[in-house]
Amino acid sequence: RKEVEQDPGPFNVPEGATVAFNCTYSNSASQSFFWYRQDCRKEPKLLMSVYSSGNEDGRFTAQLNRASQYISLLIRDSKLSDSATYLCVVISYNQGGKLIFGQGTELSVKP
Amino acid sequence: DVKVTQSSRYLVKRTGEKVFLECVQDMDHENMFWYRQDPGLGLRLIYFSYDVKMKEKGDIPEGYSVSREKKERFSLILESASTNQTSMYLCASSLPGQPQHFGDGTRLSIL
Repeated sequence: RKEVEQDPGPFNVPEGATVAFNCTYSNSASQSFFWYRQDCRKEPKLLMSVYSSGNEDGRFTAQLNRASQYISLLIRDSKLSDSATYLCVVISYNQGGKLIFGQGTELSVKP
Repeated sequence: DVKVTQSSRYLVKRTGEKVFLECVQDMDHENMFWYRQDPGLGLRLIYFSYDVKMKEKGDIPEGYSVSREKKERFSLILESASTNQTSMYLCASSLPGQPQHFGDGTRLSIL
């Protein structure tokens, strides 16, 4: 089983739609969680951290469920410019603080 | 803003050559990382370093070595390039336990 798993997609949604991605992690000692965004042929860029109480940044909402060991990203009112691959990232300090990346979920927002 | 600079965006080398990929960051980060990214496999950690002259193997170190003689510079070395090392190589840096910041990536082709 992979340490961090994501549905690779692609998720094809119309503009204005709400879309949600989940990411599961296997290490219960994981302590920090992030969502990165990667555009085609570009480097990953930090989108947002994920806090225990959940957090929101504009149209983006991130949530953490420690009991079920998953994090989620919700995008409201999708824009064409949201089309990208979204990478789930987990840090487990009992693994020396390495970042573990999921394979990413591809999102395509259509007009 | 953190700046992580990789020496080349595109590189073409021949089988058997020794290849150097350079990465420099300007934010005095302790941690530096080298990944490769391949379709369907996501980001895979090759080597990382938590301090000058310190290095740790990642998930796929075979065929690679690294050098960290100065805090700001982390070099990835392909000792004898092979065609299966054709990939996108990404360098990243971070403070301990914090999200990583990535360079633009180097698309390396081994002929």
